[in-house]
Amino acid sequence: DTEVTQTPKHLVMGMTNKKSLKCEQHMGHRAMYWYKQKAKKPPELMFVYSYEKLSINESVPSRFSPECPNSSLLNLHLHALQPEDSALYLCASSQDWASTDTQYFGPGTRLTVL
Amino acid sequence: GDSVTQMEGPVTLSEEAFLTINCTYTATGYPSLFWYVQYPGEGLQLLLKATKADDKGSNKGFEATYRKETTSFHLEKGSVQVSDSAVYFCALSSGNTGKLIFGQGTTLQVKP
Repeated sequence: DTEVTQTPKHLVMGMTNKKSLKCEQHMGHRAMYWYKQKAKKPPELMFVYSYEKLSINESVPSRFSPECPNSSLLNLHLHALQPEDSALYLCASSQDWASTDTQYFGPGTRLTVL
Repeated sequence: GDSVTQMEGPVTLSEEAFLTINCTYTATGYPSLFWYVQYPGEGLQLLLKATKADDKGSNKGFEATYRKETTSFHLEKGSVQVSDSAVYFCALSSGNTGKLIFGQGTTLQVKP
């Protein structure tokens, strides 16, 4: 099973709202990732967690706050977002973070900020 | 820094035509190379990968060979189907950082 699940599938929020995206995998993977994808563009890496610790933050604004409660779960907390943050947010996981490891992607959360 | 360049799309083909999507890369180390496919409204799915020079990745009739001498990883399929219509991303990973570097993506449209 190479499934990564994400909830919700769609999310609409106002600029003053607080919401969270959730990602889950049960493959025993030790690395998990958040990506942001705008229409007709490739995914852009936001955060990398390795062994439940944040290892890479690609200079993401603080209105995005990641959290890894355990080895299977990854959350992305959202607060005071801007309309330009509207995008598809993808979660991925891999066995480890070696260059040969395949990243498996979830279906994404389509976020709209009004 | 490391980078990936893909041929620009969209690519429009008739069913059963031969497909080539070009991908070249620049990397300082010994990268692994990947092709991912994204169907409308979905996440990315791994199509195939190669982790060292001269490796050939293959899956569902798609193939790509890791060519170090030409720094290329071109995607090919002998006979495309309407169901292959999607966006295809070439990507590389080098160093033990977990970072995937993507090309810009190529949209493939296959007409019956």
